[in-house]
Amino acid sequence: AAGVIQSPRHLIKEKRETATLKCYPIPRHDTVYWYQQGPGQDPQFLISFYEKMQSDKGSIPDRFSAQQFSDYHSELNMSSLELGDSALYFCASSLGGSQTDTQYFGPGTRLTVL
Amino acid sequence: QKEVEQNSGPLSVPEGAIASLNCTYSDRVSQSFFWYRQYSGKSPELIMSIYSNGDKEDGRFTAQLNKASQYVSLLIRDSQPSDSATYLCAVKVWGSARQLTFGSGTQLTVLP
Repeated sequence: AAGVIQSPRHLIKEKRETATLKCYPIPRHDTVYWYQQGPGQDPQFLISFYEKMQSDKGSIPDRFSAQQFSDYHSELNMSSLELGDSALYFCASSLGGSQTDTQYFGPGTRLTVL
Repeated sequence: QKEVEQNSGPLSVPEGAIASLNCTYSDRVSQSFFWYRQYSGKSPELIMSIYSNGDKEDGRFTAQLNKASQYVSLLIRDSQPSDSATYLCAVKVWGSARQLTFGSGTQLTVLP
């Protein structure tokens, strides 16, 4: 079965640079979520989109922005990168955005900021 | 206090034993509960979801939910070394919010 696709899988950036992470949800899934997981920490919710509209916002820094496109893929844009942004970034997708829908996670993008 | 708390690990069990993982949550309007397994450096993989009080079984895994006690657990029967991973309890709160709130995870090691 098709899974969530994320690209790139690994990314190395310098401080103050920008980065763009991409997420392609499972086909027919209409909801995308972004999570950040620092070393030894649990995933923290950043932002989500349902039917191409922002649905919820978590602990996403103002330096980050995201959107969902007409084909339901999503991009997380990160500017003025800081050392503390080094983490695993997961995208998850679900169908329907209801309380009982299940989120399936992509393989993640490992961002390293030097 | 975290909204979702998991029993402190690491937890070690011998191969073939039952592993018991526990999770409590603080928000009484929490409605959906999930257990994910995460291997080091990999993404969370869904093990079980549970929405109603009681037990839900899927193969070697049983999830138990008690909303009155705000408690959800995961039992792994006949534990295998391949079950060694971090188990994340995740909760979804009723309302407009659709995101998952995770516990800190319990690291399980199954000893051969």
